[in-house]
Amino acid sequence: EVLLVESGGGLVKPGGSLRLSCGAFGFTFSSYIINWVRQAPGKGLEWVSSISTDSRSIYYTDSVKGRFTISRDNTQNLVYMQMNSLRGEDTAVYYCVREDVITKSFGLWGQGSLVTVSA
Amino acid sequence: ELVLRQSPGTLSLSPGERATLSCRASQSISSTNLAWYQQKPGQAPRLLISGTSIRATGIPDRFSGSGSGTDFTLTITRLEPEDFAVYYCQRYGTFGQGTKLEIK
Repeated sequence: EVLLVESGGGLVKPGGSLRLSCGAFGFTFSSYIINWVRQAPGKGLEWVSSISTDSRSIYYTDSVKGRFTISRDNTQNLVYMQMNSLRGEDTAVYYCVREDVITKSFGLWGQGSLVTVSA
Repeated sequence: ELVLRQSPGTLSLSPGERATLSCRASQSISSTNLAWYQQKPGQAPRLLISGTSIRATGIPDRFSGSGSGTDFTLTITRLEPEDFAVYYCQRYGTFGQGTKLEIK
């Protein structure tokens, strides 16, 4: 079965750190760009970051630049999001998302991992 | 910076009716990269349409997409009970704010 499975979410205090992981199953992980998309409670979808197949091209939304770091391990079929200096506005469900090669649409989503930043 | 504006914010219709959802871009974009997603409560979004009009695998043909330039549309003919959800348009790293399709 083709799957993305996130883990690592939880409750963290403001200023704290958390690392999300995303495992890929059932497809050639190294061939796909992977994105993180988040959704704050009751809000819409917000793209956060993307990483190219070879990790050479990495992008972030402005609000997380300097605080979040995306990385991947193609030998383990894993992508990570290291989140530092967390703020209340980072509270969200974080989705790991596979980008389709040709259309660039987000064709495969994980189930999401909830990150709550609160004192 | 590209902005995608979806309208209406909420659409109230009955099963069997036709739904027309709009996505307007702040600048002209290639139709190759405009996608639509459906999200139900407590679930991850699901890709419906890519490349403006190409249905994803398993998506019923009552869903169709069209448009070009700055104006794009998702049409759902003959609404089924399971179609009531939130719909988002997207292009690369930009999402619209969503349209909630609710039962009237």
